[in-house]
Amino acid sequence: GQNIDQPTEMTATEGAIVQINCTYQTSGFNGLFWYQQHAGEAPTFLSYNVLDGLEEKGRFSSFLSRSKGYSYLLLKELQMKDSASYLCAVRDIDSNSGYALNFGKGTSLLVTP
Amino acid sequence: DTEVTQTPKHLVMGMTNKKSLKCEQHMGHRAMYWYKQKAKKPPELMFVYSYEKLSINESVPSRFSPECPNSSLLNLHLHALQPEDSALYLCASSHPPRDRDNYGYTFGSGTRLTVV
Repeated sequence: GQNIDQPTEMTATEGAIVQINCTYQTSGFNGLFWYQQHAGEAPTFLSYNVLDGLEEKGRFSSFLSRSKGYSYLLLKELQMKDSASYLCAVRDIDSNSGYALNFGKGTSLLVTP
Repeated sequence: DTEVTQTPKHLVMGMTNKKSLKCEQHMGHRAMYWYKQKAKKPPELMFVYSYEKLSINESVPSRFSPECPNSSLLNLHLHALQPEDSALYLCASSHPPRDRDNYGYTFGSGTRLTVV
C-alpha cells in the first residue's frame, strides 16, 4: 500500500509564496501528481513529476526527490482564487491499484488579503 | 476536445431505485476510472478500465456495477444504494502508463449523488 502525508491546512497572504509538502512511501513509484480542487468541483491537474528535480509552470512549481519520498508544490504570487484544496497523488505500479492514482488527504489552503 | 463529460451533474435517488451515471471522453484515452469522494476527503478509487476491460475493482460493493461499452464511454449502474453512498462520483481518464504520452489524468466535473 501507500502512505501519503501532507499538512491538513495552511494559511498564506495574498502576494506571498507558499510551499505545500508531501511525503510518500511506495514500492513501485511511477509518478507524482499535484491537483487543485475547489469546493464542489472536480480536481484540476497542476503538475507531474517522475524524475528528480523541479518542474516549473507559471506561478506553480513542483519538486520531487525519489530517494527521500518527498515532493513539494510551490505557489508564487498568491491570489485569492488560489484558496482551494491541493491534492498530492502517487501512482504505484506495484500496488493493488495498479497504475491508478492514490491521493493524499489534501491540504486546504486559505489565502487571506 | 480535452474534457471528460459526466451526466447527470446532480442525482437524488431512493434506496430502491436503479439509476446510471455516465461518463464520456474523446481524447483517445484508453484508461478510465471511477472515484468516490466524500466531503472534505480525497477521492477514493473504485474501478479502473484499461482498453475497455475492467482491470481493478477496489472491493466495491456489488450495488455499484461499472460498464465500459466502448473506449469513449464509462457507466456506473447503481442499485439498492444506502444513504452512506451519498457522495461526489468522479470519472477520470488517461493514457495507460505503457503508452508514450503518459501525462496527467483528466477528471470530469462529477455527479453529486444523494441517496434518500
